[in-house]
Amino acid sequence: DGGITQSPKYLFRKEGQNVTLSCEQNLNHDAMYWYRQDPGQGLRLIYYSQIVNDFQKGDIAEGYSVSREKKESFPLTVTSAQKNPTAFYLCASSTLLLAGAPGELFFGEGSRLTVL
Amino acid sequence: KQEVTQIPAALSVPEGENLVLNCSFTDSAIYNLQWFRQDPGKGLTSLLLIQSSQREQTSGRLNASLDKSSGRSTLYIAASQPGDSATYLCAVGSTYGGATNKLIFGTGTLLAVQP
Repeated sequence: DGGITQSPKYLFRKEGQNVTLSCEQNLNHDAMYWYRQDPGQGLRLIYYSQIVNDFQKGDIAEGYSVSREKKESFPLTVTSAQKNPTAFYLCASSTLLLAGAPGELFFGEGSRLTVL
Repeated sequence: KQEVTQIPAALSVPEGENLVLNCSFTDSAIYNLQWFRQDPGKGLTSLLLIQSSQREQTSGRLNASLDKSSGRSTLYIAASQPGDSATYLCAVGSTYGGATNKLIFGTGTLLAVQP
């Protein structure tokens, strides 16, 4: 079935450790996105990528890094520089409309990161 | 700066009732608006996408309308069922400030449909 797969679903990290969240899509979408969701707040964009080997910072990129070596994959690394990493992380993908605007967004099931 | 507001934050209705969820945005220069559903601990599921040139979209018991001039969208759910209980989020694709590559999300409306 076509869709977006995120792993792991739950992840625990000790302070000072880097962790990487996986996101894979088989929808043949050009664009991929990482969002962070905290209670009582809307989704906030961390990074996005419209093409392989290129990505852009979103609103809260500090303490995070990404790569886009393949069209299907967009992993997110939460580094030790992220001061408050405990959150629910959501990966999404979409086609691109004219002028680079995203079409309909499709989301994965999310990864919940807890810092111990 | 584009801001998206959803009121109320929570809503409880008896089963079978028709209901309307509201989404407001401050900048009318949008290219699309999308409604999502989120179940607890899960990702978002796309419900309806309305392009800026459209006035409404329908899917089954759901109908979404868009009025750019007033900065409003509504999601109408007919004959609500307990399975409709979830958080409903709207997201606006905005060209504000030249940033066309992201959506601005509201904080959602938590809907509970009582059997």
